[in-house]
Amino acid sequence: GAVVSQHPSWVICKSGTSVKIECRSLDFQATTMFWYRQFPKQSLMLMATSNEGSKATYEQGVEKDKFLINHASLTLSTLTVTSAHPEDSSFYICSALPDGSWNTEAFFGQGTRLTVV
Amino acid sequence: DAKTTQPPSMDCAEGRAANLPCNHSTISGNEYVYWYRQIHSQGPQYIIHGLKNNETNEMASLIITEDRKSSTLILPHATLRDTAVYYCIVRAPNSGGSNYKLTFGKGTLLTVNP
Repeated sequence: GAVVSQHPSWVICKSGTSVKIECRSLDFQATTMFWYRQFPKQSLMLMATSNEGSKATYEQGVEKDKFLINHASLTLSTLTVTSAHPEDSSFYICSALPDGSWNTEAFFGQGTRLTVV
Repeated sequence: DAKTTQPPSMDCAEGRAANLPCNHSTISGNEYVYWYRQIHSQGPQYIIHGLKNNETNEMASLIITEDRKSSTLILPHATLRDTAVYYCIVRAPNSGGSNYKLTFGKGTLLTVNP
């Protein structure tokens, strides 16, 4: 199956610093990628839809200036958590939708565990 | 997308079939049923999807009732590695990249016991 790779798998950062998470589709092109956040014992919550060559679309309640998304190529989207705080500690997961397929499934990365201390 | 209802947890003995139910009574005619699972601390993994006919692949079988208001995911011979949260999601066909949103509910935690 198609592979989506996230990097890093886990990261610890200090409060007030920024952290960048990468999401790559390794064997397919993806104009559209998605970023989710998952708190312990909760389900995945969609944060934003990342579109190559255009601005991301954020879900209600998600601060676009805090969670910066850049989809610079058809195989790479990045999520930057700016001025991170302990409450931003979470499991961040991306998914990518292969281009050119109708009703195909999206493929998910392995997730990034962010801990802000 | 239609709402789904799943039991919060289920247990299954290793080697036996695991049958995970999902209710989607408000499903529309063009909406598909998707199943994903999430093993602890990993990203979700696609399992199977279907519209109205039963589907089978190397991972599982999907049985959809004739009225399409419910479905059952069947893992024929559950192993310990199948312990995960299983999500049933109903959505319309991919009508364009940005419209492809998967809305995750709470899912069913399947625990396979030795």
